[in-house]
Amino acid sequence: EAGVAQSPRYKIIEKRQSVAFWCNPISGHATLYWYQQILGQGPKLLIQFQNNGVVDDSQLPKDRFSAERLKGVDSTLKIQPAKLEDSAVYLCASSLVIRGYEQYFGPGTRLTVT
Amino acid sequence: QKEVEQNSGPLSVPEGAIASLNCTYSDRGSQSFFWYRQYSGKSPELIMSIYSNGDKEDGRFTAQLNKASQYVSLLIRDSQPSDSATYLCAVHGGATNKLIFGTGTLLAVQP
Repeated sequence: EAGVAQSPRYKIIEKRQSVAFWCNPISGHATLYWYQQILGQGPKLLIQFQNNGVVDDSQLPKDRFSAERLKGVDSTLKIQPAKLEDSAVYLCASSLVIRGYEQYFGPGTRLTVT
Repeated sequence: QKEVEQNSGPLSVPEGAIASLNCTYSDRGSQSFFWYRQYSGKSPELIMSIYSNGDKEDGRFTAQLNKASQYVSLLIRDSQPSDSATYLCAVHGGATNKLIFGTGTLLAVQP
């Protein structure tokens, strides 16, 4: 069974530029999550989708971050404009059910904002 | 008080010893508990899940849950240098209904 796919793996941009990350979850997983992991910290949930609907985006900085999951499969996370503090690893995860079931992570995208 | 607390370490153990990793959580309504292993530069990998009080064993790993004390632990028997990584405790359920991670404990297994 293929795991969660993410691209790109690395991205370097200048502040105020925009960037987009792509995620394809494990086949059949209805729930998809985007996390931000800053060095030395645990992952922090940004947004959670159930099929193509948003379940929780309470920690998403909506003035600069946006995410969509069209057709309930793959998803895109965008940052526009980027700030220096957005430098982090962006992780996508998926799970079979929304409540407490195991979440499986993709390889992540390491973003550096200069 | 942090929602999920772990000692950042590093926890250093000799090869072949038992490594004991601990985690406490603040939300008494939490229902699901997970341990993830994260190698440097890699993404978190799920290694154990536990949902009820007591012990759950899987190979060299044992997860222990005590909901009354709001405490979760992970024991790694016969520790190997390849077990050297950061171990993240994650808790789900309760008021937030999302997966909350601790900051992780860095484990170093000395050959």
